[in-house]
Order: sequence, then C-alpha cells, then structure tokens
Amino acid sequence: EVQLVESGGGLVQPGGSLRLSCAASGFTFSRYWMHWVRQAPGKGLVWVSRSNSDGFSTTYADSVKGRFTISRDNAKNTLYLQMNSLRVEDSAVYYCARQGGTPYIDYWGQGTLVTVSS
Amino acid sequence: QSALTQPASVSGSPGQSITISCTGTSSDVGGYNYVSWYQQHPGKAPKLLIFDVTNRPSGVSDRFSGSKSGNTASLTISGLLAEDEAHYYCCSYTSSSTRIFGGGTKLTVL
Repeated sequence: EVQLVESGGGLVQPGGSLRLSCAASGFTFSRYWMHWVRQAPGKGLVWVSRSNSDGFSTTYADSVKGRFTISRDNAKNTLYLQMNSLRVEDSAVYYCARQGGTPYIDYWGQGTLVTVSS
Repeated sequence: QSALTQPASVSGSPGQSITISCTGTSSDVGGYNYVSWYQQHPGKAPKLLIFDVTNRPSGVSDRFSGSKSGNTASLTISGLLAEDEAHYYCCSYTSSSTRIFGGGTKLTVL
C-alpha cells in the first residue's frame, strides 16, 4: 500500500524558515517523480514544486521560486521541502504527492499544516 | 500563472448527471492530453478520479468520465449519489513543465 506521511509543519514568523519531510513507503521511491502541493484554509489546490526520480531535475511555481527548495534522499525514501523567507500567504496545508506514469499525481499524503504569522 | 477556470459550484439531484468544466489555454489543457481530475471531501486528501483526460484508475467508479475539446476539459458524473458531494479539481501539465490546478468546484447533491 502506498503511504506518504508528511511532517515538519508548524507556526513560524514571517521571514522564517521551515523544512517539511515526506516519508514514503509501499513503493520503490527512487523510481518516481514527486510533488508538493499546497492548500490554504478554505481555498483550492496550488501546485508548488516537483522533483524527478533522482532529484537532479526540479521545477517550481513562480510564487515560491528562489525561496523554496525541493530535494530527496532516495536511500531514506524521503522527500523534503526547504522553505525560506516565508510569507503570510505561504500559510497552507502542504501535501506530498507521487506522480504516476505520465504527468499526473496518483497518490497524496494527508498533509502538514504550515502557519506563517507574527 | 492563474488557475484553470472551473465553475465555483454545481448541483444535481440523486440519479442525475452533472458536468464540470475546466478551461485553460493552449499552453496547458489544450496543448497536452495530460488533464487529471481529483475529488476532495472536507478535511481529506484529494483522490485521483481521472488521468490523461479520459482514463480511470482501477477502483474508481465508471460513473466518473472525462473528456476534452480544445482548451476545455470536462468531468461528468452520472447517477449522482449523496457521497459524491465534495470539491472537484482539475489539473493540467503545462508547457513550462509545471502543473496547474483549477480553482475547484463544489458539488452539492440536492
């Protein structure tokens, strides 16, 4: 069974940093591209970033480019999202998600809440 | 980049069919057959319903179907059930190798 478990969320002040983790199990993590998607309270889904299977190719939404970094440790079956220079508008539930065989997301974690507030 | 355009809400009675549209541009929906649809119940993670415009993952009811014409993709739910009441999101691959979601549609089963 595919499982994605996010952690690392919490309350942080504007301008601060946070690192999210996503522990993957139930599939061969190193073979799959992975994504981060966020959802502000009461709002819709917004794509944030993706990593290819070896972590050497990454893309970002314009809203987070230069501030967020996606990375992965295939030996630990873990995906990361380093978030720097956080803004109030970055407050959201952050989902870790697996990409299927073509560019669609097939499995999602349960999410971790990030709140940016003074 | 703005979200794909979806109606904010749709409604239907049990047993009826409804269709949710998702409009983008030639740089996303219209340019690739990589549109997917997700169902999200309150407080839950999204669930994949349709991928690559028309394909259903195993375990998803055949009451859900997808299509595309030009820059607009559509999700049709037939034989509405009370449990179908949820938010629905479309998503497309883009020419920048990113992904873009629709703003979401709240389905109310009357």
